Amino acid sequence: DTGVSQNPRHKITKRGQNVTFRCDPISEHNRLYWYRQTLGQGPEFLTYFQNEAQLEKSRLLSDRFSAERPKGSFSTLEIQRTEQGDSAMYLCASSLGSGDNQPQHFGDGTRLSIL
Amino acid sequence: KQEVTQIPAALSVPEGENLVLNCSFTDSAIYNLQWFRQDPGKGLTSLLLIQSSQREQTSGRLNASLDKSSGRSTLYIAASQPGDSATYLCAVRHPRRGASKIIFGSGTRLSIRP
Repeated sequence: DTGVSQNPRHKITKRGQNVTFRCDPISEHNRLYWYRQTLGQGPEFLTYFQNEAQLEKSRLLSDRFSAERPKGSFSTLEIQRTEQGDSAMYLCASSLGSGDNQPQHFGDGTRLSIL
Repeated sequence: KQEVTQIPAALSVPEGENLVLNCSFTDSAIYNLQWFRQDPGKGLTSLLLIQSSQREQTSGRLNASLDKSSGRSTLYIAASQPGDSATYLCAVRHPRRGASKIIFGSGTRLSIRP
């Protein structure tokens, strides 16, 4: 169990640029979640996958955001035409099984700063 | 709409004290409640998960209780240590068709003074 891995740890970019983050879940975890966290707040749900299927998306996930999990293993989160309001910590979590009673395990996040 | 509240937002206590962190939620129809710890600039570490049918869970110096009817959970930390300094977040999983997200409180920032 190597834990949930996220890359990069930090990303600094200019407004209007596209960015992509990667998450590698704990192996054999079939559920993968993306959250966004701003300073002083708890994480807010963005989307989740069960295997390769994206089953739910939050209203926070505007059309500039897209997430994929093509082979049911790692996932990517892309933000197009970044805005200053996108500056936040983006957290990935994974869990095992198809039920809702398993704990979610989080990575250390990718901190995005928009200049 | 489910809302999760943690009060106080920050707490400072001397080392060795026992302490209680509070979490309240507005809709008692939850699957489970999870307590996390977050160190500055880091992700979340799961501490305890309480299923809706359970009243409490214990791990080492930590004990979490759940009272669904009143919409409350507490995290009890015994014999606090400076290494316990972190932000503690609670999160509930709320049953709704198609939903599997968890809803977080804003956390309590705990500081243990040596």
